[in-house]
Amino acid sequence: AQTVTQSQPEMSVQEAETVTLSCTYDTSESDYYLFWYKQPPSRQMILVIRQEAYKQQNATENRFSVNFQKAAKSFSLKISDSQLGDAAMYFCAYRITTSGTYKYIFGTGTRLKVLA
Amino acid sequence: SQTIHQWPATLVQPVGSPLSLECTVEGTSNPNLYWYRQAAGRGLQLLFYSVGIGQISSEVPQNLSASRPQDRQFILSSKKLLLSDSGFYLCAWSVRIREAFFGQGTRLTVV
Repeated sequence: AQTVTQSQPEMSVQEAETVTLSCTYDTSESDYYLFWYKQPPSRQMILVIRQEAYKQQNATENRFSVNFQKAAKSFSLKISDSQLGDAAMYFCAYRITTSGTYKYIFGTGTRLKVLA
Repeated sequence: SQTIHQWPATLVQPVGSPLSLECTVEGTSNPNLYWYRQAAGRGLQLLFYSVGIGQISSEVPQNLSASRPQDRQFILSSKKLLLSDSGFYLCAWSVRIREAFFGQGTRLTVV
């Protein structure tokens, strides 16, 4: 079964500190994409970062970086220098190819609270 | 640039009434289109996806159906709503080697 597991329903971090959100996934494919999306209170889904499975180098976008462990099927998100605007639901997702198209499978999300 | 429009933003419907949510994409051709549902406190559940006009794949058997009458139009429907259909519905699109882009969502409350 294709699943994404986010084992932390809720996390808190002090402003300016660093926090890591965990994600594991299960797929039999060798080539796939991984994503972290942010959903603020507006509920608009915003892409935070993307990782191609064939790339060994971990993706980085400003204060956001990932730790991609392909063998362990782990894809964690690190947020450095946390800001109040980072407070949101964060969803881990991966894209698989099926029947000639792509499907995006999402985890259940982690709610991140940023404390001032 | 590409944009996605989803409406309405909010909808309150009585049990047993029909439903029609619409989603359109601009600025791209032949996108893959998706409908997701987000129940309160839960993740995104893929409901339907489409690779082209008239081509619909269903992920979860349920009270809903989807149609794609035009290349960049995706419609989510129901003939008779159930209380359990309440939730936040998101439309999304993607093309090759890209992430999924989401609409603003529709909050549906069935009363």
